[in-house]
Amino acid sequence: EVQLLESGGGLVQRGESLRLSCAASGFSFRSHWMDWVRQAPGKGLEWVANIKEDGSEKNYVDSVKGRFTISRDNARNLLYLQMNSLRAEDTALYFCSRVLMDWGQGTPVTVSS
Amino acid sequence: DIQMTQSPSSLSASVGDRVTITCRASQGIRNDLNWFQQKPGKAPKALISAASSLQSGVPSKFSGSGSGTEFTLTISNLQTEDFATYYCLQYNSYPRTFGQGTKLEI
Repeated sequence: EVQLLESGGGLVQRGESLRLSCAASGFSFRSHWMDWVRQAPGKGLEWVANIKEDGSEKNYVDSVKGRFTISRDNARNLLYLQMNSLRAEDTALYFCSRVLMDWGQGTPVTVSS
Repeated sequence: DIQMTQSPSSLSASVGDRVTITCRASQGIRNDLNWFQQKPGKAPKALISAASSLQSGVPSKFSGSGSGTEFTLTISNLQTEDFATYYCLQYNSYPRTFGQGTKLEI
């Protein structure tokens, strides 16, 4: 069974940084693209970033380019999202996902201004 | 960016009804479209991939169709557990984009 467990969310001030982690199990992590998707309170889903199986290709939504970095550790089955220069509009529940098919339960990020 | 326009944004239905949700892409996306169900406080659940392929374990009451720019999700014989918000997602190009969601209510 695919399991994805996000952690690292919390309350930060505007301009601060946060690193989210996602622990994956139940599948061959190194063989799959992985994504981060977020959902602001009461809003819809927004794709944030994804990363190729070997980490050689990364893609981002424009609103986070230059501020967020997605990475992975295939030896430890971990996915990361480094978030810098956080803004109020980054406040959301952040989900990690295996090719947008299997999803974790999310970790909340709140950016206070 | 490809815009995904879902309609309706909300839908009122009754147990036993059959409903259809539409997603329109601002440009052709072949069949690179998934459908998701999300219940309050929960993660999205994938229902259909590649526009019409039912995911393992998803009941056959859910069906998807379409290609290019017009896609539909049909849910037959609605039950109480089907009342949720539904999203489409295109994965034809970057950035991936979701529809704004359709809230299915009793």
